This record gives sequence, structure tokens and C-alpha cells, in this order.
Amino acid sequence: EIVMTQSPATLSVSPGERATLSCRASQSVAINVAWYQQKPGQAPRLLISAASTRATGIPARFSGSGSGTEFTLTISSLQSEDFAVYYCQQYNTWPPITFGQGTRLEIK
Amino acid sequence: EVQLVESGGGLVQPGRSLRLSCAASGFTFDEYAMHWVRQAPGKGLEWVSGMSWNSGHIHYAGSVKGRFTISRDNAKNSLYLQMDSLRPEDTAFYFCAKDLFDIFTGLDSWGQGTLVTVSS
Repeated sequence: EIVMTQSPATLSVSPGERATLSCRASQSVAINVAWYQQKPGQAPRLLISAASTRATGIPARFSGSGSGTEFTLTISSLQSEDFAVYYCQQYNTWPPITFGQGTRLEIK
Repeated sequence: EVQLVESGGGLVQPGRSLRLSCAASGFTFDEYAMHWVRQAPGKGLEWVSGMSWNSGHIHYAGSVKGRFTISRDNAKNSLYLQMDSLRPEDTAFYFCAKDLFDIFTGLDSWGQGTLVTVSS
């Protein structure tokens, strides 16, 4: 099973600043990584697939990068609605599909 | 607009069974893989099971293999999860999710979830 490890567990950033979230895979997953945003009481929302492809309707301030074992989600200028929990997911090797444990992005 | 609506959750005793349903609309259901993902209260996401568009690929997480069964009825645009021999650690919100493609990739649409509580 591929383990996805996200860091940091909690990230405190001020509105308008840049946030950088990391995800590391226990073995290569090529570019087969997705990122999700989840707000309290809501279902997750797909932000990025194939490591860097924004999903439909996702603002350009969200960007993804990486390949192999190291991946990054960057939010260029944080808006109030961006404070949430973010998960990475690999779909290169299954079963199982695996998620990271999440990064909580909070207002500084 | 894609809509996924789960139903069938509730309180159940350990060892008993429950069947979840997911009604899909707004897309051509039989062209996409579908999944169940769960989230224990206050915890992270755990993939439970997935099924490709034509049922050629059916897979489970190790924690539920042998106890849960995923199925789909493409004529009814519906996905199901039969959960047997339930355990307290199966307590979670269960989400139905649509895949981006006909095989396992990213999950681009999610239902709002149905809560399953396993307790005596």
C-alpha cells in the first residue's frame, strides 16, 4: 500500500499570502495525484488531478506541481474561503487508492 | 449538474448489516467508475471501494474486504454498498463519489454523505 504523508499538519497563513502544502508518497506514483479541499460539514471538492490539472471551476490561484514522490499544492493569494482542510490522494497503484492525512489551513 | 444522493445510513448493532444506496443524475452513469469513501467523525478520508464503469474492476480496502460488497445498476443510475458484519470502527460518514474517468483516478463529484453508526 502506498502511504501519502502530508506536511505540515496545520498551516497558519494570513489572507493574501501564499500557502504551500506538501505531500510525499512512499513510492513513485508518477503524476497520478489529486488534491481535495474540504470545509466543515461539507463533502470534499476536487481541486487538482494529474498533479497539476485544475478541475472545472477551480480558480487559477490554486496550482499543483510535482512528480514521482514529491507533490505540492500552492494557493497564491489566500482568500477567506480557502481556509479548510486539504487532502492529497494517489491513484497510481490500486487497490487501495490512498489519501494523505490532511493539512488544516488556518487563518493566522 | 451532477448530483449524487446517498441514503441508507443509520444506527446498527455490531455484527449486523446495512445497505447504502447512491442515486446519480446529471451525467451518463454507465461511462464512469464510482467509489465509496468514508470519513470517521473528525478524521481523514478513507477509500472503501471502487468499481469501474463496466464492473470489470472491483476493489476494496483491506479493512472491509470480505465484509462489504459494492455493486451498481446502470439501468437505475445507482451505486450500492452492502455492509455485513459491521464493527464499531466502521462508524463514519459514507460518501458516494464519481470518478473523472471509467477507471480509478480522481474523484470529481461527491454526495453529501450518509452517517453509519455501529454501536450496541
